[in-house]
Amino acid sequence: GAGVSQSPRYKVAKRGQDVALRCDPISGHVSLFWYQQALGQGPEFLTYFQNEAQLDKSGLPSDRFFAERPEGSVSTLKIQRTQQEDSAVYLCASSLTSGNEQFFGPGTRLTVL
Amino acid sequence: KNQVEQSPQSLIILEGKNCTLQCNYTVSPFSNLRWYKQDTGRGPVSLTIMTFSENTKSNGRYTATLDADTKQSSLHITASQLSDSASYICVVSAREYAGNNRKLIWGLGTSLAVNP
Repeated sequence: GAGVSQSPRYKVAKRGQDVALRCDPISGHVSLFWYQQALGQGPEFLTYFQNEAQLDKSGLPSDRFFAERPEGSVSTLKIQRTQQEDSAVYLCASSLTSGNEQFFGPGTRLTVL
Repeated sequence: KNQVEQSPQSLIILEGKNCTLQCNYTVSPFSNLRWYKQDTGRGPVSLTIMTFSENTKSNGRYTATLDADTKQSSLHITASQLSDSASYICVVSAREYAGNNRKLIWGLGTSLAVNP
């Protein structure tokens, strides 16, 4: 595709519900990043994949957050038992390699009621 | 502690006017500094990236400056347009993490509104 796409664009969940957010990176990009962006804040790093390998998950806020990229392309960020504090925009970015320019998707805005 | 601070937090200007956004950082040792534009409801888009040896870089009406001695950067927007309304985020990379996007230090951004 022409750019990074994410779906859904908006998600409303009831507290305690599980959600899954999808990211389609730019074809051929080895590196994939997930960020969490709270209202009025800059993006905060969550996790990083190089191909299918999750090399860094130090930014995941709790064990309720889980990410995967099984075939080294599409990635899914799953949040279990959502809490109100999980409400944020979740951004996905891909780059050719870890240090190259990142290209961001439009984000998924998650609202937990 | 590595930090990136931006000012002002928000800014309103009239279409056609120029403006300058500031970024101060305490990241050391420094590798590079990036400016991103983030439109509402969209992901950030890279405007410029500067290394230690560069003190100015332009991208159309956007001109970024870098003073590595004082650890300051600015983003100057010339002849602003309505489409410039967005958040502008300064991002700094430490040298030990050069080539590692996981360790970028993000500022909170300056929210710019350009009014007709």
